Amino acid sequence: GDSVTQMEGPVTLSEEAFLTINCTYTATGYPSLFWYVQYPGEGLQLLLKATKADDKGSNKGFEATYRKETTSFHLEKGSVQVSDSAVYFCALSSLTGNQFYFGTGTSLTVIP
Amino acid sequence: DADVTQTPRNRITKTGKRIMLECSQTKGHDRMYWYRQDPGLGLRLIYYSFDVKDINKGEISDGYSVSRQAQAKFSLSLESAIPNQTALYFCATSDLLRGEQFFGPGTRLTVL
Repeated sequence: GDSVTQMEGPVTLSEEAFLTINCTYTATGYPSLFWYVQYPGEGLQLLLKATKADDKGSNKGFEATYRKETTSFHLEKGSVQVSDSAVYFCALSSLTGNQFYFGTGTSLTVIP
Repeated sequence: DADVTQTPRNRITKTGKRIMLECSQTKGHDRMYWYRQDPGLGLRLIYYSFDVKDINKGEISDGYSVSRQAQAKFSLSLESAIPNQTALYFCATSDLLRGEQFFGPGTRLTVL
């Protein structure tokens, strides 16, 4: 069945460091891919998405590219800020749109 | 006003009690979902509904039931709460066209 595997945390970075959080997926066909962010005490918010191969999703300085050949959707940011401290979830929506699958989440802490 | 609301936001109850968590949405979406979040396990799907007459079990439906009272309302019940149902519960909505899910702020449930 469809699934998402993402890099385990926690991740601790200094401010202005480069961030990569790895995400790979298993799916039938061409799912849509998403990154969600969960700030402390809040629900999940959509950070970015990509709906087809080679699409790049971007938002708030974060980027992820849908790589069909490696079945990956890694999240990157060139310079993290303290305000980026949160839990990040990779997710996919199945080909039919009937199911949504989440990774286990990666906790990021950015220290000044 | 929030698009997806959940009540209560926090609840402490005792083993064996019946609990209902409520979710309302103003997004006009047909699809609604209930998830639970546990540390290290990510989000797991409990139940989902694609319209008022449609209810489907998710990955971990045992011990839970749901009711879709209207397009905008989807309630989750724990018939006889047990301590391992202590978790953060999220309601979400989606529409097929856009694909992504929109989350409520969550309900923190503690079963003593």
